[in-house]
Amino acid sequence: EPEVTQTPSHQVTQMGQEVILRCVPISNHLYFYWYRQILGQKVEFLVSFYNNEISEKSEIFDDQFSVERPDGSNFTLKIRSTKLEDSAMYFCASILIQGSADTQYFGPGTRLTVL
Amino acid sequence: AQSVTQLGSHVSVSEGALVLLRCNYSSSVPPYLFWYVQYPNQGLQLLLKYTSAATLVKGINGFEAEFKKSETSFHLTKPSAHMSDAAEYFCAVRMNNAGNMLTFGGGTRLMVKP
Repeated sequence: EPEVTQTPSHQVTQMGQEVILRCVPISNHLYFYWYRQILGQKVEFLVSFYNNEISEKSEIFDDQFSVERPDGSNFTLKIRSTKLEDSAMYFCASILIQGSADTQYFGPGTRLTVL
Repeated sequence: AQSVTQLGSHVSVSEGALVLLRCNYSSSVPPYLFWYVQYPNQGLQLLLKYTSAATLVKGINGFEAEFKKSETSFHLTKPSAHMSDAAEYFCAVRMNNAGNMLTFGGGTRLMVKP
């Protein structure tokens, strides 16, 4: 069964450093998402991406965050200058069609630890 | 904006007992509703979803959920818990007029005692 994959599974970085989290969505899916879950808190929507541009973003997704799909398969989330409060589990998701009851499929997550 | 509330961050049941995980949503129009499960060190896996076709929805692993509009609820049940059901369960809502983002509840950790 097709699945969303994410690398790395765990990333440790120093505050102020840039990190790139990588995701490979399901191959025929058209919409891609990033969510995050701070330890002990809810899963929160960050951004959605369609047709090589951001379609929606939350207030969490400020100027230090960016996303891109550099090569038609990978979907990346970049955090330019990490803060302690960026420590969280980051989930990538993909879906075939927007505006329907289609299922979002989630990856296993990347645990980001900012020291 | 829509929101989801899961009553009980931790639920403990004995093996073979009924599982009931509660989810209430706030919405002015019928939403799409989902239950996801997260096993340790794994991603979010869809258990079941409500898409207005039938109010009683059956999912994987013997779980089911009933959409009750009058109560704005979508509680998850399973008649008989197995040890393998121990996991974190998330209720989520997606409005049918707001794109495809999901709004999650806080999650309920289910513990199953032998």
